[in-house]
Amino acid sequence: NAGVTQTPKFQVLKTGQSMTLQCAQDMNHEYMSWYRQDPGMGLRLIHYSVGAGITDQGEVPNGYNVSRSTTEDFPLRLLSAAPSQTSVYFCASSYSFGQDILEQYFGPGTRLTVT
Amino acid sequence: DQQVKQNSPSLSVQEGRISILNCDYTNSMFDYFLWYKKYPAEGPTFLISISSIKDKNEDGRFTVFLNKSAKHLSLHIVPSQPGDSAVYFCAAGRSGTYKYIFGTGTRLKVLA
Repeated sequence: NAGVTQTPKFQVLKTGQSMTLQCAQDMNHEYMSWYRQDPGMGLRLIHYSVGAGITDQGEVPNGYNVSRSTTEDFPLRLLSAAPSQTSVYFCASSYSFGQDILEQYFGPGTRLTVT
Repeated sequence: DQQVKQNSPSLSVQEGRISILNCDYTNSMFDYFLWYKKYPAEGPTFLISISSIKDKNEDGRFTVFLNKSAKHLSLHIVPSQPGDSAVYFCAAGRSGTYKYIFGTGTRLKVLA
């Protein structure tokens, strides 16, 4: 099992550019999520999905779009990058039990810099 | 408004001694708590969890204690080892919401 994989590992964007951060998992987890980690802020939830075709917003969704067409993949799109989106982005997945999730498995992260 | 707080940004402990990492929360509706460990340039990895129906959970060298009345949880590592040096995050969630709120992390350094 590869677990949760993320690409790219590093990315530099100019303000206004768009890009997609890729995330895939091979554990057949229903639940997937995206977090950003900023200094002194911990991990903050951006968007999450409880299954293919179902997504919802987390704490800091503005400026980001997601979709979930398959169980395995959960890409995060930045439509018009801003310097405030400079951060480390983590994708995670988990089994869900009814409306509960337990421990999440995290990918290695994507370090994004917007100039 | 930070609902989950880790007030100690860093902690240094001698190898073999006990490490105690603390976490406070403000939302009394939280009923499930987790600890994650994170090494540099890697994603967080799950360490241990506890639900609100318990006040203690053990897994090897790691024990989590929950004090619901104080809205406080702590992670004890005994004995501490140099490989435990990492950033530790606590997270809290409420059943049925699919969301966890993470603390800001505590950097633990175990000195050999």
